[in-house]
Amino acid sequence: DVKVTQSSRYLVKRTGEKVFLECVQDMDHENMFWYRQDPGLGLRLIYFSYDVKMKEKGDIPEGYSVSREKKERFSLILESASTNQTSMYLCASRYDRSAYFGPGTRLTVL
Amino acid sequence: TQLLEQSPQFLSIQEGENLTVYCNSSSVFSSLQWYRQEPGEGPVLLVTVVTGGEVKKLKRLTFQFGDARKDSSLHITAAQPGDTGLYLCAGARASNTGKLIFGQGTTLQVKP
Repeated sequence: DVKVTQSSRYLVKRTGEKVFLECVQDMDHENMFWYRQDPGLGLRLIYFSYDVKMKEKGDIPEGYSVSREKKERFSLILESASTNQTSMYLCASRYDRSAYFGPGTRLTVL
Repeated sequence: TQLLEQSPQFLSIQEGENLTVYCNSSSVFSSLQWYRQEPGEGPVLLVTVVTGGEVKKLKRLTFQFGDARKDSSLHITAAQPGDTGLYLCAGARASNTGKLIFGQGTTLQVKP
């Protein structure tokens, strides 16, 4: 079975803090994604990566950056957290036509 | 731009009823996936359909990909409370790489 893990299930941070969300997959997938999910807005793509050190902006990259130094790990960075970044963050990896999601990180920015 | 429209957005039914969820687009997709998500968890892949007209069954769930590969449907027979959750469709524009485009989701509540 494919396993995608995220470093935290719940996270509370203060405005202005730098936040790191880690995602690890164990199936050697090349493509990895970060989404945020908000009520009424569905899943919105923040960034994705199709190879080590390669990244592309998604639909809402502002306020975020990413890092992919190793194939199995894809990190999402909030440079200076703001309250409007309070959300559910979902990481996914993809092989062939199917994507596999982690359990999500519920981030609250106070 | 929302390329995948799901309907209905909310559905509340009694146990034992049948239901259909629709996922429509004006764009052609090389494949389409259906996911189910429970509160506080990540989406779980249910099925991937690839060929136009394809029908796949997963116990009481039947998935169909439109002939033109622009739409899909999920039909649940004799719904049970355990089917409660958020159902998401997602389309892929390229065969092996690239991002998935998600619909807004259908929240299903099945009452005992």
